[in-house]
Amino acid sequence: NAGVMQNPRHLVRRRGQEARLRCSPMKGHSHVYWYRQLPEEGLKFMVYLQKENIIDESGMPKERFSAEFPKEGPSILRIQQVVRGDSAAYFCASSQGNNQPQHFGDGTRLSIL
Amino acid sequence: KQEVTQIPAALSVPEGENLVLNCSFTDSAIYNLQWFRQDPGKGLTSLLLIQSSQREQTSGRLNASLDKSSGRSTLYIAASQPGDSATYLCAGMDSNYQLIWGAGTKLIIKP
Repeated sequence: NAGVMQNPRHLVRRRGQEARLRCSPMKGHSHVYWYRQLPEEGLKFMVYLQKENIIDESGMPKERFSAEFPKEGPSILRIQQVVRGDSAAYFCASSQGNNQPQHFGDGTRLSIL
Repeated sequence: KQEVTQIPAALSVPEGENLVLNCSFTDSAIYNLQWFRQDPGKGLTSLLLIQSSQREQTSGRLNASLDKSSGRSTLYIAASQPGDSATYLCAGMDSNYQLIWGAGTKLIIKP
């Protein structure tokens, strides 16, 4: 039973480019969460999704960031026109329900040149 | 607004010692509290989850307690080993089902 799969593990982008981060939840999990970890800081909640629905996006910047979890395929976190401050580790987690343990992927480390 | 604090930020102890990591939260209205382990450059591994109705959970050499009235949780590690070296994070789930995270305790176990 595969765990939460995130790809790519490392992503390098130049300022102004787009970054697309993918997350496949554990089998049987329909709840997906995205978190951002800045260097030497704790994790910060970004967005919570269920299949085809955004439940809570209160932690996601209003501009340039978007997330989706389509009926088929992985959840996507999209960052448009990236800036240096977007450099961070982005973690995805999945769960069976909203009060159930969240299982984490290994993260995508985004570096902006 | 929920805030989670972990003390100490870093801890270095000799192998074999028992140790306690502390986590405090400002809002007692949490659904659960979870302890995670993070190795450098890696993801997070869930260690223990304590539901709000529970007082403690145990897994092997690990024991986590939860005291909602005082806003505290502790992670007890018995007979520490070098392989326990990692950053330990606690996170409380708030009423919006968001995990609110502490900044972590970096633990080093010296052989």
